[in-house]
Amino acid sequence: GAGVSQSPSNKVTEKGKDVELRCDPISGHTALYWYRQSLGQGLEFLIYFQGNSAPDKSGLPSDRFSAERTGGSVSTLTIQRTQQEDSAVYLCASSPGGTSLGETQYFGPGTRLLVL
Amino acid sequence: GDSVTQMEGPVTLSEEAFLTINCTYTATGYPSLFWYVQYPGEGLQLLLKATKADDKGSNKGFEATYRKETTSFHLEKGSVQVSDSAVYFCALITSGTYKYIFGTGTRLKVLA
Repeated sequence: GAGVSQSPSNKVTEKGKDVELRCDPISGHTALYWYRQSLGQGLEFLIYFQGNSAPDKSGLPSDRFSAERTGGSVSTLTIQRTQQEDSAVYLCASSPGGTSLGETQYFGPGTRLLVL
Repeated sequence: GDSVTQMEGPVTLSEEAFLTINCTYTATGYPSLFWYVQYPGEGLQLLLKATKADDKGSNKGFEATYRKETTSFHLEKGSVQVSDSAVYFCALITSGTYKYIFGTGTRLKVLA
């Protein structure tokens, strides 16, 4: 079946603009995650959605970052008033249930964001 | 807090050479350990995992053993191929959580 998809694959924006990044998880997966991969750094957890529960936003770096998940499926990560340090690859992942120890997360190809 | 430390790359090897990529971790509780691989232009793919001490994960000729006494999960392959060129990430997830903690990644380049 189809894997996790993300769009756009690349985004170039000017400092101060808002951007929206989209993630389509694997059908039937109730858990969805956003990570950020900055140059020279590992992947950094941003936010987690599980079913209809309140999301875990503990990884969001500032209040310029927000995310929503509509209908328990598609998710949008929004960055307002982008800064150059926001330049990174934003990865989305999904998993079947999100509660099992060691549950494998399936990653999308990422959106490469460049803020000029 | 929990953390993962990987050897820095890039690692450059000739085809058929032996590969080791070191990974050590710090965690409270009993984590599950993972190796993910990112091929050029593609997303992260799970390579192998181990969920308890002394477990060995294996896939595509790669192996890693969960060593609790040394808090390590080193990745090995006996004979690498050019197609193994990628970035390899070690990661953990601790009991009762869902957040992966990733290492910084190790770039492997295999020359023909």
